[in-house]
Amino acid sequence: DIQMTQSPSSVSASVGDRVSITCRASQGISSWLAWYQQKPGKAPKLLIYGASSLQSGVPSRFSGSGSGTDFTLTISSLQPEDFATYYCQQANNFPLTFGPGTKVDIK
Amino acid sequence: QVQLVESGGGVVQPGGSLRLSCAASGFTFSSYGMHWVRQAPGKGLEWVAFIRHDGSNQYYADSVKGRFTISRDTSKNTLYLQMNSLRDEDTAVYYCAKARTGNGNWFDPWGQGTLVTVSS
Repeated sequence: DIQMTQSPSSVSASVGDRVSITCRASQGISSWLAWYQQKPGKAPKLLIYGASSLQSGVPSRFSGSGSGTDFTLTISSLQPEDFATYYCQQANNFPLTFGPGTKVDIK
Repeated sequence: QVQLVESGGGVVQPGGSLRLSCAASGFTFSSYGMHWVRQAPGKGLEWVAFIRHDGSNQYYADSVKGRFTISRDTSKNTLYLQMNSLRDEDTAVYYCAKARTGNGNWFDPWGQGTLVTVSS
């Protein structure tokens, strides 16, 4: 199975800050990576797929990069509605696996 | 718009069974693969199972293989998850999710989830 790790596990930031979250796969997954946002008590929401493609309706302040084993989600200017937990997910092969999550909270 | 509504969750004793349903609307159900993903209380996300658009193939996480069965009824636009031999560690919110495109492995959108509690 492909193991996914994320860093940091949590980050405290202010509105307007640039925030980057990294995700690493235990083996190469090309660009088969997605990012999801989850707010408390809500279902996750797809932000980025194919490592860097922005899902329709997602603000352009979100961007993804990377390929192979190392990936990054960047929020260029953090907004109040962005405080949430973010998960990466590999879609290269079954079983599909998620990273442990990164919680972005208010400094 | 696309809507997924899960039902069937509840409290069940260890060793018991439960069947979850996911009613789909707003898209051509027979054209998309479907997934189940779960989240234990206070924990991260765990993919559970996938079924192709035509039901021809199913895939499972090792943790549920042999105990859970994913299926679909195109005439009812409904996805199912039959859960047998339930264990304490199966306690979670269970989400159904549509493949973003075709039989892909991006999840979009997700239902609101249904809580399964395994407890004596």
